[in-house]
Amino acid sequence: DAGVTQSPTHLIKTRGQQVTLRCSPKSGHDTVSWYQQALGQGPQFIFQYYEEEERQRGNFPDRFSGHQFPNYSSELNVNALLLGDSALYLCASSLWRQSVEKLFFGSGTQLSVL
Amino acid sequence: GQQLNQSPQSMFIQEGEDVSMNCTSSSIFNTWLWYKQDPGEGPVLLIALYKAGELTSNGRLTAQFGITRKDSFLNISASIPSDVGIYFCAGSQGAAGNKLTFGGGTRVLVKP
Repeated sequence: DAGVTQSPTHLIKTRGQQVTLRCSPKSGHDTVSWYQQALGQGPQFIFQYYEEEERQRGNFPDRFSGHQFPNYSSELNVNALLLGDSALYLCASSLWRQSVEKLFFGSGTQLSVL
Repeated sequence: GQQLNQSPQSMFIQEGEDVSMNCTSSSIFNTWLWYKQDPGEGPVLLIALYKAGELTSNGRLTAQFGITRKDSFLNISASIPSDVGIYFCAGSQGAAGNKLTFGGGTRVLVKP
């Protein structure tokens, strides 16, 4: 049983570019959350998708957008990249009504913006 | 916004020692969780706490949910080399969808 898988594992972009990160949830899960983890800090909640809709959103600008597909996989898009967007982007999956300890994290995508 | 303050930021351990770290918040959380993150990996859940005052163990790990619901601590007894890593506390307010607020982490290193 595959866990949460994210692609790519590493990515280098330049300021002003756009990036798309991908996540496949753990088998059987229907909810995907995205977190940003800057170097030396804890993860910060970006947003969450369930039934192909954004259900909750953290304090991130509109440059950050997402999508969930009918197969529950998800994409995170960041437009007009800034140097400060350099971070590890973590995807986590769960079932919508399960307790929070059932949240499983992927290994992340390391994004470097030059 | 909500913040979790975790301390210490880093600590050195010697094999066999007990270590302790804690987390405080300006907001009440209904669930407290402790995660460990190894390099190149996502956080892995160690312990989840659901009730104020609850004390829960998982092997050599013990965690408590503070009475005020604004704090938690994690103890590691008889530390071993594989305990090295970054430990994060996280809080959830229990709404559907399970959004987590994380602390800044405690980096556990081995004494040279």
